[in-house]
Amino acid sequence: RKEVEQDPGPFNVPEGATVAFNCTYSNSASQSFFWYRQDCRKEPKLLMSVYSSGNEDGRFTAQLNRASQYISLLIRDSKLSDSATYLCVVSSNSGGYQKVTFGIGTKLQVIP
Amino acid sequence: DTGVSQDPRHKITKRGQNVTFRCDPISEHNRLYWYRQTLGQGPEFLTYFQNEAQLEKSRLLSDRFSAERPKGSFSTLEIQRTEQGDSAMYLCASSSGVDTQYFGPGTRLTVL
Repeated sequence: RKEVEQDPGPFNVPEGATVAFNCTYSNSASQSFFWYRQDCRKEPKLLMSVYSSGNEDGRFTAQLNRASQYISLLIRDSKLSDSATYLCVVSSNSGGYQKVTFGIGTKLQVIP
Repeated sequence: DTGVSQDPRHKITKRGQNVTFRCDPISEHNRLYWYRQTLGQGPEFLTYFQNEAQLEKSRLLSDRFSAERPKGSFSTLEIQRTEQGDSAMYLCASSSGVDTQYFGPGTRLTVL
């Protein structure tokens, strides 16, 4: 089983739609969780951190379910500019060393 | 621009040659990470430094790969005797502690 699993997609959605991505992780000791956005041939950029209480930033909502070991990202009112790959990132500390694992990414294509 | 910078942005080399990449992190960040990303995959962790100490190395980092961060500031990643399978985007990121990682634009390596 991969340490971080994501559906690679692509998810093709019309403008204005709501779309949700899930990401599961295998290490129950994982401590920090993030969603990054990556445009084609560009570097990943932080979209949002994910907290146990859930967090919202405009049209984006991220949630963490530690019991089931998954995190989610919800995008409301999709815009053409949301088209990108969304990377799930899980970080853990083990013996003083940090381990950061990226998922394969979920590709989103918003269609006019 | 006070973000993470990488040099060169593109490198084309012949199989068997050595290449060296440089990363300049955000100045106040004590952690520096190297990743490799191939098409359709998420970034794969290679190694990371806390200040000048290299704390973790992935199994992906064969003995042909070496990384340094001699003064705890910039870092170099050297690949000796390059192989076609080394062709990828090499990403550098920096962070302050276990906080959010900020990525540089990457160095795209093509081995002919």
